[in-house]
Amino acid sequence: RKEVEQDPGPFNVPEGATVAFNCTYSNSASQSFFWYRQDCRKEPKLLMSVYSSGNEDGRFTAQLNRASQYISLLIRDSKLSDSATYLCVGMNRDDKIIFGKGTRLHILP
Amino acid sequence: GAVVSQHPSWVICKSGTSVKIECRSLDFQATTMFWYRQFPKQSLMLMATSNEGSKATYEQGVEKDKFLINHASLTLSTLTVTSAHPEDSSFYICSARDWGGGLFNEQFFGPGTRLTVL
Repeated sequence: RKEVEQDPGPFNVPEGATVAFNCTYSNSASQSFFWYRQDCRKEPKLLMSVYSSGNEDGRFTAQLNRASQYISLLIRDSKLSDSATYLCVGMNRDDKIIFGKGTRLHILP
Repeated sequence: GAVVSQHPSWVICKSGTSVKIECRSLDFQATTMFWYRQFPKQSLMLMATSNEGSKATYEQGVEKDKFLINHASLTLSTLTVTSAHPEDSSFYICSARDWGGGLFNEQFFGPGTRLTVL
């Protein structure tokens, strides 16, 4: 099982819709998870940290499910500007940050 | 958030030449910086951890003699790709952790350097 695994997509979603994607992780001891956003040919930018109690920031909600070892990202009322690649980030057993391959999201007008 | 810069943002070089990439933390001190490489449609792959004042720690499969890392100060780390070849063409990104007393070890990324080796 890969340390951090994501569905690569692409997810093609009409503007205004709600979209959600998950990311599974293998290190059950990992304490830190993040969602990063990466635009084409740009560096990743932190979108949200993922807390055990869940985290909501405007239209974005991140949740952690330890029992099933996955984190999720929900985007409500999607905007054209939400089109990007979303990278799931966890920690491996050596306490190093591991990136998933990313999920590509295309918001359609 | 904290700012990390990289220079150059892109470089084209001939096969066999060496290329140096600089990574600077502009408004914080970073005892540890990270170097990643990202091929098209692939994830960021950690190459090495750069430690200020000591040797870098390389990930398995990364040649330390080919990718020279120097972290001479708390705000600057450099990556030198020696004798670059076309297969080294990639997007190189550095990052630094600004602990700032926070609970989570957020990393701040530089804008990346796109290397093309002809």
